[in-house]
Amino acid sequence: AQSVSQHNHHVILSEAASLELGCNYSYGGTVNLFWYVQYPGQHLQLLLKYFSGDPLVKGIKGFEAEFIKSKFSFNLRKPSVQWSDTAEYFCAVKNSGGYQKVTFGTGTKLQVIP
Amino acid sequence: GAVVSQHPSWVICKSGTSVKIECRSLDFQATTMFWYRQFPKQSLMLMATSNEGSKATYEQGVEKDKFLINHASLTLSTLTVTSAHPEDSSFYICSASSSGRVETQYFGPGTRLTVL
Repeated sequence: AQSVSQHNHHVILSEAASLELGCNYSYGGTVNLFWYVQYPGQHLQLLLKYFSGDPLVKGIKGFEAEFIKSKFSFNLRKPSVQWSDTAEYFCAVKNSGGYQKVTFGTGTKLQVIP
Repeated sequence: GAVVSQHPSWVICKSGTSVKIECRSLDFQATTMFWYRQFPKQSLMLMATSNEGSKATYEQGVEKDKFLINHASLTLSTLTVTSAHPEDSSFYICSASSSGRVETQYFGPGTRLTVL
């Protein structure tokens, strides 16, 4: 069975600080990887995804994530956070076969202080 | 972007009653809808996948007789929690996909169910 670990439950940063949120997954096969974001009072929405190809994936709002297969990781990064990045971030994994199940991590709450 | 709504946004009910939650895709046709459940400080757990016009596929450990899912049209799916008990209290979130693939799912805002 696949699983996802997000080690940071709550992160507090000042504006302009760099961000890296950890995500490790457990699955032996080929995977699709996702980061979702949930801004306060809003729906979950897709931030970026990796299916294949370049392991460095760029998403919306300046976010990027790097898939490191050997480390089973898909960490999310942003060089300079803004107050508007305050949100909860969820890493998720799906096996790339036909089975339609996305497994989510427990989420990381990011608080950016102006 | 694609919009998915849920109704109600929150509901409180007595133990033993049934509660229906609606999930609608407002500006696209949803071939497939997914129902998730989220406990406090835990991740979203997929409960079931429903394709329009066919029976839902439930994840292991989810009671299909307790969580009735109907996906009768391309814009509406319903989840009915039958004979609700306090342990069913949770946050229920639906998502919808026009492509039929979970990779392109759009999420609803969720429904908070509290069973007294």
